[in-house]
Amino acid sequence: GQQLNQSPQSMFIQEGEDVSMNCTSSSIFNTWLWYKQDPGEGPVLLIALYKAGELTSNGRLTAQFGITRKDSFLNISASIPSDVGIYFCAGQNRDDKIIFGKGTRLHILP
Amino acid sequence: EAGVAQSPRYKIIEKRQSVAFWCNPISGHATLYWYQQILGQGPKLLIQFQNNGVVDDSQLPKDRFSAERLKGVDSTLKIQPAKLEDSAVYLCASSRSGRRDSYEQYFGPGTRLTVT
Repeated sequence: GQQLNQSPQSMFIQEGEDVSMNCTSSSIFNTWLWYKQDPGEGPVLLIALYKAGELTSNGRLTAQFGITRKDSFLNISASIPSDVGIYFCAGQNRDDKIIFGKGTRLHILP
Repeated sequence: EAGVAQSPRYKIIEKRQSVAFWCNPISGHATLYWYQQILGQGPKLLIQFQNNGVVDDSQLPKDRFSAERLKGVDSTLKIQPAKLEDSAVYLCASSRSGRRDSYEQYFGPGTRLTVT
């Protein structure tokens, strides 16, 4: 079936650093969504993207819908301890189904 | 606005036993989803309801899993009989109706199921 490839799988950064992660697919998606999941909780929607090329910000978070419609990236600027968690991309495909990536685990070193 | 409610939060059962999970979506959300999230993976859709009708259950193992949403609000997901590989977090999500809003899903805290 269709898959979303998220990279990196995990990241270890220092507080204050900027973070970049991305999601790619061999197929076209019509919508891209980015979620964050904290331990023991459900995913929380961060940003939704609906048009190719769209660049959207939510505070320190910025996400873009790739021009080819096969990829998306999420940037976090000036990371803080509460940014720790798992970030999932999800895409809505031509069959109107939402598919999730496997996640990028963000760790912040003390 | 109250979020998606799920219960129980944790459940431990032996294989071949039955288990049921309950979900109450955000008020006014017509679409309800059940996902299975295995450790280290992203959520996988099991079933999607629009009001009380099933929109997509293509990935639901129907020989052992069943779900219902009788009055278009609350939903239950049942596993009977459970297998070891069913150990996972079961997430419920809801969204507004309407094409664009339906992709913005709000998740509950999940039920962590351990099958021994």
